[in-house]
Parts: sequence; C-alpha cells; structure tokens
Amino acid sequence: SQTIHQWPATLVQPVGSPLSLECTVEGTSNPNLYWYRQAAGRGLQLLFYSVGIGQISSEVPQNLSASRPQDRQFILSSKKLLLSDSGFYLCAWSVDGNSNQPQHFGDGTRLSIL
Amino acid sequence: GNSVTQMEGPVTLSEEAFLTINCTYTATGYPSLFWYVQYPGEGLQLLLKATKADDKGSNKGFEATYRKETTSFHLEKGSVQVSDSAVYFCALSERASNYQLIWGAGTKLIIKP
Repeated sequence: SQTIHQWPATLVQPVGSPLSLECTVEGTSNPNLYWYRQAAGRGLQLLFYSVGIGQISSEVPQNLSASRPQDRQFILSSKKLLLSDSGFYLCAWSVDGNSNQPQHFGDGTRLSIL
Repeated sequence: GNSVTQMEGPVTLSEEAFLTINCTYTATGYPSLFWYVQYPGEGLQLLLKATKADDKGSNKGFEATYRKETTSFHLEKGSVQVSDSAVYFCALSERASNYQLIWGAGTKLIIKP
C-alpha cells in the first residue's frame, strides 16, 4: 500500500532563517506531488505541484521554493523565512493524470516563525 | 472558472442530531467530487467521493449524492457523534483544471455531548 511521510511534525524557526521540509511517498511510481499551506482556521492554499522529477509549478508568488530531486521526494524550502510563512504545511500525492483519483495527504508540519 | 462553495461554520450540533453540510460547485465539464475531513492537528483524510451524476459516496455513516441538476454535493449523516468534530472540506477535480483539486473553504463541525 502507498504511504506518505512528512517531517518534521513541528518546527519553530526565527525570522530570516532557512527552511527545508521534506515529503516522501512509498508504494507508487511517478505520482503527482503537492505542497499546500493552511493558515490557522483557514482553508487550503496550493503552493506548488509537480508532475515529474525536476518539474515544478508554482501557484502563488512567495518566499518559498520547491524541488523534486527524486521521483517520490518533494522538498519545500526557503532561504529566509518571514513571519507570514507561519502555518500548517501539507504534502499530498495523487495518481498521475486521472481526475477520479483523490489526493492523499501527509500528517502535516506545523511551522511557527518567531 | 471552477469553484466550490461551502456553508460557513462553525456548525454546532448535539450528539445524535442530523447533519447536513452544504456544498455547491461550478464547473465547465463533468467533475469528480470529494469530501475530506481534517481532525484537530492532523492532515486531511478522504471521506468519500463520487465521479458521475447521481453517484452516492458513503463512508463512516456519512453520505453525499452528486446532483448535477443542482450542482450540489451535500454531506449528510443521520446521527453525529462527538468524535465527528472536525473540519470538512468539499473539493472538485476535472480535466479542464488539469485535475487540480479546487477546494471549498472548509466547514468546522462541533458536536456537543
């Protein structure tokens, strides 16, 4: 069966520090991968998605970047965090190219910027 | 463009009450429809889905019927429990949107004992 892992679960970082959040998927090949952010009490905002290694689409301009160095690895990064980067970050995967298949989510990373 | 509209929360009910959370959508074609649930502090879990008109998705006592004539996918449960307290998200996916999920804003459900 397929599983998705995100880490760390929680992170407290000072303003201006770098960020690296990692997500890996097991049990499937060539998945679509997604990074979302959820502000406190709010809905989901799609940040990035990827349909293959090295292929990243950005949905909103921001202080963050994403990379996909391997088929089942998706990394969210920042060189300098801002206070507004605080939130709950969720990684998800789906089967490539089929609208009937749902997205499957990791447990999330709660990021607090001080 | 495509969009999903959910009823605003929070929705507060007593245990064993009947639940309806409204969801309506706009889409250019024939989307697939989903309900996700997010328990406090956790990621999202797929609750149920429907892929064509008149399909009924069901899981854990929850049901939703894909109504093309009213462009709706309302979530229902006959008797809610305290453990159903969570945030519920309605979403759609279709080819015109490159199969990206279009999300509703979420509805927070609070069940009181």
